[in-house]
Amino acid sequence: ETGVTQTPRHLVMGMTNKKSLKCEQHLGHNAMYWYKQSAKKPLELMFVYNFKEQTENNSVPSRFSPECPNSSHLFLHLHTLQPEDSALYLCASSQVPGLTYEQYFGPGTRLTVT
Amino acid sequence: GESVGLHLPTLSVQEGDNSIINCAYSNSASDYFIWYKQESGKGPQFIIDIRSNMDKRQGQRVTVLLNKTVKHLSLQIAATQPGDSAVYFCAEKKGNTPLVFGKGTRLSVIA
Repeated sequence: ETGVTQTPRHLVMGMTNKKSLKCEQHLGHNAMYWYKQSAKKPLELMFVYNFKEQTENNSVPSRFSPECPNSSHLFLHLHTLQPEDSALYLCASSQVPGLTYEQYFGPGTRLTVT
Repeated sequence: GESVGLHLPTLSVQEGDNSIINCAYSNSASDYFIWYKQESGKGPQFIIDIRSNMDKRQGQRVTVLLNKTVKHLSLQIAATQPGDSAVYFCAEKKGNTPLVFGKGTRLSVIA
C-alpha cells in the first residue's frame, strides 16, 4: 500500500443523498489532490490543496465540496449527484507542489450514483 | 482520441519479451515527466520519472526515454512478466502546475 488510504472503497448513493469521501495520508506530505477517473476519460484533476489551502479548482460543479482540515486529511462532500458522476475517485498526496516530486495515490472510492 | 477504459490502446506482449509503451505529450514547456502503473482495482503507482534536462533514465527493469524534439516519452519494460499487466499512464508538468495525465495504454502479458 502507498500510505494513502481512502474510505469507503465502494459507495452507492441516490441522487438526493449526501455522503462524504475520506482520504488520509501517512507520508508527511503537504499537498493533497482529488481526481476523478471515469471509463471514458483520462484522469481528471478536481481539486488541489497545498498546506491546507485550496489552490486549484478545475471547474468542478458545486455538488462536489472539498474540505481539508489539515495536511493529512482530505474530504470530498457529495450532494445531489448525477448518474454521470459515477466514477472512481482518487486521492493523492505529494511533497510541496512545484518540485519534481511524484504523487502517491490511494486505492480510490468506486462511486455509483443511482 | 482514445480514452481510459473501453477504448484504451492495448499492447500485448509475450512473457519474457521487452515492452515499449509510448506517450505523446502536449506541452513543449513541460519540465518533468512521470510514468504510473494502474492495476485493476488499485490506484496509480509511481514507476519512474525524468526531468526535461535528461533524455534517458533507468530503473529496475524499466527505462524511460524522453525526446523533446518530437514531444515523445516512452517506457521500456525489460523481460515483461505477468505482473506487469496493467494500464500505464504518462504525465507531464511544468513548474508549479499540477500533473497532466495522458490517456492510458493497457499492457497485456501473454504467458
